[in-house]
Amino acid sequence: GAGVSQSPSNKVTEKGKDVELRCDPISGHTALYWYRQSLGQGLEFLIYFQGNSAPDKSGLPSDRFSAERTGGSVSTLTIQRTQQEDSAVYLCASSFDRVENTEAFFGQGTRLTVV
Amino acid sequence: GENVEQHPSTLSVQEGDSAVIKCTYSDSASNYFPWYKQELGKGPQLIIDIRSNVGEKKDQRIAVTLNKTAKHFSLHITETQPEDSAVYFCAAKTYNTDKLIFGTGTRLQVFP
Repeated sequence: GAGVSQSPSNKVTEKGKDVELRCDPISGHTALYWYRQSLGQGLEFLIYFQGNSAPDKSGLPSDRFSAERTGGSVSTLTIQRTQQEDSAVYLCASSFDRVENTEAFFGQGTRLTVV
Repeated sequence: GENVEQHPSTLSVQEGDSAVIKCTYSDSASNYFPWYKQELGKGPQLIIDIRSNVGEKKDQRIAVTLNKTAKHFSLHITETQPEDSAVYFCAAKTYNTDKLIFGTGTRLQVFP
């Protein structure tokens, strides 16, 4: 596709359930980021994938959060046993090359509501 | 790790006036500083970026300045228009960590 695609665009889940959020990066982009944006807040870094290197997981807020990237392309962010404080917009971004520090393109985000 | 502070959190200007948003960063190894604009219900979009080997960059009504010694950079929007109203984020990135760290955002409102 032409841009970063995230699905679903909206997700309502019950407290305690697990959720999976998907990100399709721009074809050929080797770097992929996940961020969390709470209502009216900034962009909180969660995790970063670069090629075949081990991901930088330093931003994941708890062990309920995990992410994987299969085949260097699609990424899935999983939140287990969701809590109300997990409600936020989850944004994915991808970029082409770390050395060139090229632009990171964002998807539209997934709005997660935990009730 | 890197920490980016951004001010002000909200900014209201009259159409035609200039707007300035300022950011400071903590890691002197940071070498890439993009600015993003986020409109309601959308993901952030890059509007301008600057690398550490230059002090200023302009693109029409938008300019960014970088002071490496003081570790701060600023976004300048001249002749503001209502469509400039959005949330603006600064960010910093180092080559070594490759992690893009964002400021807390500035909500800009341009009144006609």
